[in-house]
This record gives sequence, C-alpha cells and structure tokens, in this order.
Amino acid sequence: DAGITQSPRYKITETGRQVTLMCHQTWSHSYMFWYRQDLGHGLRLIYYSAAADITDKGEVPDGYVVSRSKTENFPLTLESATRSQTSVYFCASSESSLSYEQYFGPGTRLTVT
Amino acid sequence: ELKVEQNPLFLSMQEGKNYTIYCNYSTTSDRLYWYRQDPGKSLESLFVLLSNGAVKQEGRLMASLDTKARLSTLHITAAVHDLSATYFCAVDISHDMRFGAGTRLTVKP
Repeated sequence: DAGITQSPRYKITETGRQVTLMCHQTWSHSYMFWYRQDLGHGLRLIYYSAAADITDKGEVPDGYVVSRSKTENFPLTLESATRSQTSVYFCASSESSLSYEQYFGPGTRLTVT
Repeated sequence: ELKVEQNPLFLSMQEGKNYTIYCNYSTTSDRLYWYRQDPGKSLESLFVLLSNGAVKQEGRLMASLDTKARLSTLHITAAVHDLSATYFCAVDISHDMRFGAGTRLTVKP
C-alpha cells in the first residue's frame, strides 16, 4: 500500500547496543524527517533530509545518525543506545511545495533497558 | 531559537460547550500547522495555515493565524466526545518544524 511505514513498530534493546529504525515512503516525497515524542515535550525534530544524500540536524541530533541513499528510505541509527533515548519515534515526509505539510508514519516505540 | 507554546496543556470540557486552544510562537513564520493525535496513534494533519489572517474550518474545529501577533487559535464549537484527543500546533522555519507540547482535550458527556 502507498504511504509511509516504519519498522519495527516495537523494539527493546540494551544500553550500549546499536539499533536502526527504518522508514519507507512510497510518495516520492523530497523531504523526510525523524522526531521523537516524550511526555511533556511534544515532538522534537532529530534530523531531516531534503533529498537523497542531503541531511541536516534538527533540535536534538546528539546520539543519532541518519543516512539517505534512496529517496524512499530514511533510516535512523542509535549507535550506542542510552536509557534517555527510550521514546516513541516518528518518521514523516513532505513534498517540496508551498505548504510543506508533513505526513507521519505510525511510530516506533523504543525501550532501552 | 524558535519556541512554540500551547495553552492550556489540559482541557476538560462538557459536550456542547465552546473553547479555544492558543498557540504562541517566538519567531516569524508564515506556516503553522495543527495536528491531532489519538492515544497510541500517529499524528493526523488537521489544518495548514499559510498566511496572516488565514482561517480554516472543518466540522466543529476552526483554526486561525495572526502572524503579526505570532498567535494561532484552534476553536472548538459545541464539543462532542469524538473530539477527545491531543492537539498539537507546529511552526515551520525552512522545514525545521517545532511543535508545541500539546493540549490534551477530554470531552465529557
């Protein structure tokens, strides 16, 4: 089906492990985004990408790495997970248009023990 | 630094009543968004406001934008239980999107 998907939907990992969250969109949107959602903080932008091979830091990039080799995929890697990275992660995409409206994936709930 | 403040953070209202959620932001922007989130779900786009004075309505919800005051409002008319959710405003500066903390709305019969 068309849209934006994330995998896995739920993940439990241990402190210090590397974990990668996947995001895939079928709209050929230029822009893709990663957010984390924590109670009391709303959503905070981690990284975004304007096109393949172009990425930029958002509000809270520390501890995260992104890449975008293909337009449709935007993986987020936690190189050495910490408990403070326990959160719900949302991927989003938008067209390069006037409105910049973003469409969100279903989210990944990550727990770091 | 762009900051977005919503109030109230929690809102409990009775069915049939009207209320307004406020969204203030600190830096000039011509793009403001309202999203709805149900518990355990993703965000659903409600409104995109692109210019000063923009007003959009969908059912019992109406959103407006005053860029000079750096203020957006989400007005709820004759609330019904189905509107219970968390509502977020977000402001966009060149794709750097900043969200408010959200308003958790509960509509009681």
